[in-house]
Amino acid sequence: LAKTTQPISMDSYEGQEVNITCSHNNIATNDYITWYQQFPSQGPRFIIQGYKTKVTNEVASLFIPADRKSSTLSLPRVSLSDTAVYYCLVGDPAYNTDKLIFGTGTRLQVFP
Amino acid sequence: EAQVTQNPRYLITVTGKKLTVTCSQNMNHEYMSWYRQDPGLGLRQIYYSMNVEVTDKGDVPEGYKVSRKEKRNFPLILESPSPNQTSLYFCASKKGNYGYTFGSGTRLTVV
Repeated sequence: LAKTTQPISMDSYEGQEVNITCSHNNIATNDYITWYQQFPSQGPRFIIQGYKTKVTNEVASLFIPADRKSSTLSLPRVSLSDTAVYYCLVGDPAYNTDKLIFGTGTRLQVFP
Repeated sequence: EAQVTQNPRYLITVTGKKLTVTCSQNMNHEYMSWYRQDPGLGLRQIYYSMNVEVTDKGDVPEGYKVSRKEKRNFPLILESPSPNQTSLYFCASKKGNYGYTFGSGTRLTVV
């Protein structure tokens, strides 16, 4: 399983764009990159998943360079409610023996 | 509403008293999993199940049991709870290539 490395924490202000980068140098050919968001005392929530290039949904964008050794979660115009922990996971979502490793994530603090 | 439901949300128990945390999903997902979350350690997988009657150990299975007799239910059983099992527990399910759906969590305290 590919190990991921993320910053432990980040600070931002309301209205700014936030980019959280995740390193995954050992990503395998069949691996996808998935991001989750977790608020205190709640279960993680799926945000976005991608394989290569760029994926966008109503919540975020995910940028994946050609070598796929890193990825960047982009949150446009953050608000106070985006304060949470963000996890980057790498793995084959179709692989039956599923042991996705969450790690400790990136704690994003948004200030007024 | 598609969801994963855990019960109870909060539980305080004494060492050695058997307990069960229930988990149910209404999305017809094949895959279900239990995680525990502790400060500084992130989410660690306890057990997972790929389908009915198919379960396997995760990274921290000691002291826990699970069963998967029906597709929708995946209870977590602590036969003899100990204080080091005090934690926040999450049940999750998924189908195919899509992401996990997590329950709201169960905060367990063992005294």
